[in-house]
Amino acid sequence: KNQVEQSPQSLIILEGKNCTLQCNYTVSPFSNLRWYKQDTGRGPVSLTIMTFSENTKSNGRYTATLDADTKQSSLHITASQLSDSASYICVVSANSGNTPLVFGKGTRLSVIA
Amino acid sequence: DTGVSQNPRHKITKRGQNVTFRCDPISEHNRLYWYRQTLGQGPEFLTYFQNEAQLEKSRLLSDRFSAERPKGSFSTLEIQRTEQGDSAMYLCASSLWGGTLANYGYTFGSGTRLTVV
Repeated sequence: KNQVEQSPQSLIILEGKNCTLQCNYTVSPFSNLRWYKQDTGRGPVSLTIMTFSENTKSNGRYTATLDADTKQSSLHITASQLSDSASYICVVSANSGNTPLVFGKGTRLSVIA
Repeated sequence: DTGVSQNPRHKITKRGQNVTFRCDPISEHNRLYWYRQTLGQGPEFLTYFQNEAQLEKSRLLSDRFSAERPKGSFSTLEIQRTEQGDSAMYLCASSLWGGTLANYGYTFGSGTRLTVV
């Protein structure tokens, strides 16, 4: 069964600190993996997208890594800001024309002053 | 292009009433998806279209739910005889699919928040 598991479920960090969110997946055949940021009451916004051959992708203070062998990904946030408080969702797309994306349940990040 | 647009942003309805939501995708995108998201959960797939054809429906899409994309552009999602359990955020997304492009440019709308009282 295609699944995406994220950890931790929630995380509280101090402003300015770094943090790393984890994503494990069993989606096959793999096409690409995305990280989205979702503010409360808003739709998800894409941060990064990585295909099978990519190991890392950065977007400002966000850096995503992908290990396609172990089927793991991480999202590292550097020098966190209060505005980083949101849910971060890992989404995996199967390389199949009729399969929608498979979503993780997200990690709820709270950045406090 | 202003991205994926959803209307209304919020809808409060009484149990038993019918509601309809609209989604306008990015104009060049041929695929359109509907998701439902409850508090603290990731989006759950409901259905998707490629152009005007509805290619897949989730088991979550009960008989009270119907979606259309008549001209392959905007889509509507209708819920008949709403129940309190239907309260959720309904998200629409669109993407370009074809050739080597697998869900290229997958973009979400801001969602419609439904509250059934």
